[in-house]
Amino acid sequence: EAQVTQNPRYLITVTGKKLTVTCSQNMNHEYMSWYRQDPGLGLRQIYYSMNVEVTDKGDVPEGYKVSRKEKRNFPLILESPSPNQTSLYFCASSSRGTGGSGGYTFGSGTRLTVV
Amino acid sequence: AQKITQTQPGMFVQEKEAVTLDCTYDTSDPSYGLFWYKQPSSGEMIFLIYQGSYDQQNATEGRYSLNFQKARKSANLVISASQLGDSAMYFCAMREGDFGNEKLTFGTGTRLTIIP
Repeated sequence: EAQVTQNPRYLITVTGKKLTVTCSQNMNHEYMSWYRQDPGLGLRQIYYSMNVEVTDKGDVPEGYKVSRKEKRNFPLILESPSPNQTSLYFCASSSRGTGGSGGYTFGSGTRLTVV
Repeated sequence: AQKITQTQPGMFVQEKEAVTLDCTYDTSDPSYGLFWYKQPSSGEMIFLIYQGSYDQQNATEGRYSLNFQKARKSANLVISASQLGDSAMYFCAMREGDFGNEKLTFGTGTRLTIIP
């Protein structure tokens, strides 16, 4: 089954404790990205990657890091989480023009709480 | 200026009635794609329907159709014969251009509640 797998689904952590949210896709998509969702703001892009070793900032990159060492994996790293990073996070992958979904597949989301 | 505008923060609709969720967009790029997603209380993003800017006909997927009015830059989602399970948050989103960042720009969403 074609899918994007995010882990963990839920995470509560303390301010300043480094954490990583993993994302993996099995569709051989070149493009992967991270979004955060906050009430009243919709989803906003954090970082994206157009291929292995190619990453760039999205609209809200402050406080986040990413890496793309393998095509299938795109982890999101919070080096020193703060309460304003409490949010619902989504990983997505896409291959433009493939299929009726416009080529996008989202992970199930990670609900992060920083106390 | 907002690229995607959803002007209905919340809607209440009687079961079995049709419902239209509004979405207007703003882009100067001739090539773009428009998406609708459903987000139930469990949180996942469920793809509903996609419309490309060059598509001649309005997209349809089962009970969902997209009323695409290019000149007015609107892409309203129509749900026919609403069901209780349609209660959810709905997001309109746009991807611009043919190359580069395949970013989706999202609206702020509409919370739809179906009343029995």
